[in-house]
Amino acid sequence: RKEVEQDPGPFNVPEGATVAFNCTYSNSASQSFFWYRQDCRKEPKLLMSVYSSGNEDGRFTAQLNRASQYISLLIRDSKLSDSATYLCVVRPSYNTDKLIFGTGTRLQVFP
Amino acid sequence: SAVISQKPSRDICQRGTSLTIQCQVDSQVTMMFWYRQQPGQSLTLIATANQGSEATYESGFVIDKFPISRPNLTFSTLTVSNMSPEDSSIYLCSVDTTNTGELFFGEGSRLTVL
Repeated sequence: RKEVEQDPGPFNVPEGATVAFNCTYSNSASQSFFWYRQDCRKEPKLLMSVYSSGNEDGRFTAQLNRASQYISLLIRDSKLSDSATYLCVVRPSYNTDKLIFGTGTRLQVFP
Repeated sequence: SAVISQKPSRDICQRGTSLTIQCQVDSQVTMMFWYRQQPGQSLTLIATANQGSEATYESGFVIDKFPISRPNLTFSTLTVSNMSPEDSSIYLCSVDTTNTGELFFGEGSRLTVL
């Protein structure tokens, strides 16, 4: 089983739609969770961290479910500029700087 | 935040040759990370480079194949040695300036081995 698993997509949605991605992780001791965004042929960039209580940043909401070992990302009112690959990232423990990246979920927003 | 410059941005190389990728950061950082992203794959950590000590390699990566230098707190190099087509990939260096898990990446070096 992969350490971090994501549905590769693509998710094709119209502008204005709401779309959600899930990601599962295998290590129950994992401590930190993140969503990164990667545009085509670009480097990944942090979109948001995922806190135990969940967090929201504008149209983006991230949630963590430790019992089921998954994190989610919800995007409301999708924009064309949201088209990208969204990477689920996990830090396995506090005493490591290593981050484990999922393969990413591709989102394509169409007019 | 951090600004990271990587070069070359891309290269096409012959089988059996070696290529050195340079990574320059605009601030001093303790650790620098080298990742590989093969087509359609996730980012995979190759090694962590600390200044003044040998790099720490992840499972499946060895120093003879991917020697790393870290001469100071703002610079690192990764060499891909004795290349084969399987080494065709994007190589990215990154730093975590805040120790919060937010990695800043260079733009990557796209390597094609013929």
